[in-house]
Amino acid sequence: QVQLQESGPGLVKPSETLSLTCTVSGGSISNYYWSWIRQSPGRGLEWIGYIYYTGMTNYNSSLKRRVTISLDTSRTQFSLNLSSVTAADTAVYYCAREVMATFGRGVYFFDYWGQGTLVTVSS
Amino acid sequence: DIQMTQSPSSLSASVGDRVTITCRAGQTISNYLNWYQQKPGKAPKLLIYGASSLQSGVPSRFTGSGSGTDFTLTISSLQPEDCATYYCQQSNSTPKTFGQGTKVEIK
Repeated sequence: QVQLQESGPGLVKPSETLSLTCTVSGGSISNYYWSWIRQSPGRGLEWIGYIYYTGMTNYNSSLKRRVTISLDTSRTQFSLNLSSVTAADTAVYYCAREVMATFGRGVYFFDYWGQGTLVTVSS
Repeated sequence: DIQMTQSPSSLSASVGDRVTITCRAGQTISNYLNWYQQKPGKAPKLLIYGASSLQSGVPSRFTGSGSGTDFTLTISSLQPEDCATYYCQQSNSTPKTFGQGTKVEIK
């Protein structure tokens, strides 16, 4: 059974960098897209970006200047760095696996999610 | 970005009722539409992918339909454990975007 677990500080100061790690267990990193998604009362569910197992990344343009997602295949982990945070970045952050349907046709969906971790931006 | 609009934002129904939630995309997305269920304090759970394919392990009372811009999630006979917030999500293009959610409560 694939499991994802987020880890990292729950409190970050304004203007600093938010750093989270997602550890994947029970499955391979290969052949999947690995995403970060956040949720807040004001913004709802917001996709931050993904990294493919090859290292290719794609970021939400609204966050692109501040986001970096990286992959450590040897440790089956991927990480999120979000720089210059403000209170607006306070949210529950989820990592998730995105997979293509077995019938293909370009159908993708998030099938496994971490439990989520609350990150508060405050001095 | 493709905007996803759900309606209603909340609903209250009785056990056994048929419940329908609608999701409209801001532009055509073929069948690249997924539905998730989220309970308080938990991560979203995949229910339907590709507009109408039922995820393994999800009860058959959940069905999805639609293509293009208009999609529907139907619960054929509402059960107490279906109390949750439901989200649609488009995977046609990045950035992936979600609807604002529909909260389902039991009367």
